[in-house]
Amino acid sequence: QQPVQSPQAVILREGEDAVINCSSSKALYSVHWYRQKHGEAPVFLMILLKGGEQKGHEKISASFNEKKQQSSLYLTASQLSYSGTYFCGTGGSQGNLIFGKGTKLSVKP
Amino acid sequence: KAGVTQTPRYLIKTRGQQVTLSCSPISGHRSVSWYQQTPGQGLQFLFEYFSETQRNKGNFPGRFSGRQFSNSRSEMNVSTLELGDSALYLCASSLDWALTQYFGPGTRLLVL
Repeated sequence: QQPVQSPQAVILREGEDAVINCSSSKALYSVHWYRQKHGEAPVFLMILLKGGEQKGHEKISASFNEKKQQSSLYLTASQLSYSGTYFCGTGGSQGNLIFGKGTKLSVKP
Repeated sequence: KAGVTQTPRYLIKTRGQQVTLSCSPISGHRSVSWYQQTPGQGLQFLFEYFSETQRNKGNFPGRFSGRQFSNSRSEMNVSTLELGDSALYLCASSLDWALTQYFGPGTRLLVL
């Protein structure tokens, strides 16, 4: 079952914050977040494992609510380089990643 | 470390033909996954190989097949191509499925 991402698209001004949500109808063992810029391959951002801690970099962090089968990606003080399509990939017990349809983020000066 | 490489990068085929795509994972990575990416559909999982064995398979018809060699390199084959098979095909390698996946640049397939 493909996870559902919301919103589908978001436009920000530099310095603004954004939250991208990812929810699944199945029990999750892991959530992976990737960013893909136009014409490029997806690039790994972070992985959250069941029972693990929230992970993040300086201004990009994520949470994983196992009970609700949801994950959220937080981007604070957005930069132009944050533009791209964000994908969440959910891992179940079967050992494969299923990706959502993506959230297109555009950061304007 | 060299990244994931995919060949060819671009391919044009006609309906009914077959195609083979190749993926060389990062050295030491034994898991290789294949994805089809089309506008609006995101990344759709095709299959995953680990140590020459297909461990997982997505919901694609039998025309899509793959294999993995002892050096972890993987190939994907699509037979009897259809117009709807036009897409970007990405492979990703990792130490194991639950760990970070590193994507290759993809092979863009156009079926005419």
